[in-house]
Amino acid sequence: KQEVTQIPAALSVPEGENLVLNCSFTDSAIYNLQWFRQDPGKGLTSLLLIQSSQREQTSGRLNASLDKSSGRSTLYIAASQPGDSATYLCAVRMYNNNDMRFGAGTRLTVKP
Amino acid sequence: NAGVTQTPKFQVLKTGQSMTLQCAQDMNHEYMSWYRQDPGMGLRLIHYSVGAGITDQGEVPNGYNVSRSTTEDFPLRLLSAAPSQTSVYFCASSYGRDGYNEQFFGPGTRLTVL
Repeated sequence: KQEVTQIPAALSVPEGENLVLNCSFTDSAIYNLQWFRQDPGKGLTSLLLIQSSQREQTSGRLNASLDKSSGRSTLYIAASQPGDSATYLCAVRMYNNNDMRFGAGTRLTVKP
Repeated sequence: NAGVTQTPKFQVLKTGQSMTLQCAQDMNHEYMSWYRQDPGMGLRLIHYSVGAGITDQGEVPNGYNVSRSTTEDFPLRLLSAAPSQTSVYFCASSYGRDGYNEQFFGPGTRLTVL
């Protein structure tokens, strides 16, 4: 059974720092991995989608990497800002049944 | 495009009551799904549909029914609400059923069962 783990559960950093969020998964038979942002009381906003054949994707200050063989993905946020404060979720799309499995998320706080 | 819309935003039910959570998308997406989000557990798939007239169970289907009579709509029915169904419910859609398509999420419905 696919298990998705995100460490740490919470992270607090001063504004301007570069930071890395981690996501690990147990079954490498995935279609893709997607990183989402969730603000309190809101829905999920897609940040980056990495196909299983890709190694990384970039969007602005965000860079996501995927190492399928080791079951790991990282989300790198450069020059963090208070507006980046949110919960970040990673999810893998399963290859065999199209199911999507989520991690519990990392709650990020960027202090001014 | 309105994207994925959900109604209601909030709902309080008594144990044993039934209700339907509405989900609609205007992107002509084939694939639609329902998730629930509980504290510390991430999102879990309840039911999904790969097209009109086709539905299937996800990870936690018990106590819920779905139907897909049109491409646009995918309602989730709670047959007899229980306190364990207190959660935030999200509807999502993507263009196709294969894994190469990005999923878009609705704003969620916060359900409390007393």
